[in-house]
Amino acid sequence: SAVISQKPSRDICQRGTSLTIQCQVDSQVTMMFWYRQQPGQSLTLIATANQGSEATYESGFVIDKFPISRPNLTFSTLTVSNMSPEDSSIYLCSVPHGVGTEAFFGQGTRLTVV
Amino acid sequence: AQKVTQAQTEISVVEKEDVTLDCVYETRDTTYYLFWYKQPPSGELVFLIRRNSFDEQNEISGRYSWNFQKSTSSFNFTITASQVVDSAVYFCALSEAEDDKIIFGKGTRLHILP
Repeated sequence: SAVISQKPSRDICQRGTSLTIQCQVDSQVTMMFWYRQQPGQSLTLIATANQGSEATYESGFVIDKFPISRPNLTFSTLTVSNMSPEDSSIYLCSVPHGVGTEAFFGQGTRLTVV
Repeated sequence: AQKVTQAQTEISVVEKEDVTLDCVYETRDTTYYLFWYKQPPSGELVFLIRRNSFDEQNEISGRYSWNFQKSTSSFNFTITASQVVDSAVYFCALSEAEDDKIIFGKGTRLHILP
């Protein structure tokens, strides 16, 4: 199993500012995933963070808005840039499931933009 | 491209009734994994089950059972003798072997009424 720690757990931010969310895993993983869950909605994949290469973004998400770093095999950050109230969501990081196991999710970062 | 459809947005049943949550998926991969997650009002994602595409055997775990049918691309979830604590949003999800990212359905909000 994997234990994922996310920071911060929640934040309230002013529009136009940026917030960096950290995700720490207790084991080395090749891929990490970042998801967004808007209020009352499902989880939407933002991007896949690969160690040693640029992140791969899903349709509708761009690097300028959601830059991702992946400096090593246990850590990643997601920045939400130039925030607007529409960015108010829960952001979650995840590591993939191994053979016969579940995928693991962090507790999420609840972001409110005012 | 992979896709998960949960046609039931919201369901309400009276306690002790049985309820089935539907899930239909699309994938071009021959090797894939299906998941169900529960998200109670507290917000955390609770893993319920993972099935791979080569294992069509249905599974029962206590009051929970899952019916996987490749012929209809469905992976339905039944709760028997529902309880108020089963009230939550339930997500069906799909992961293809080639990239491990998990794509979620829109979720079904289940209300169990006392």
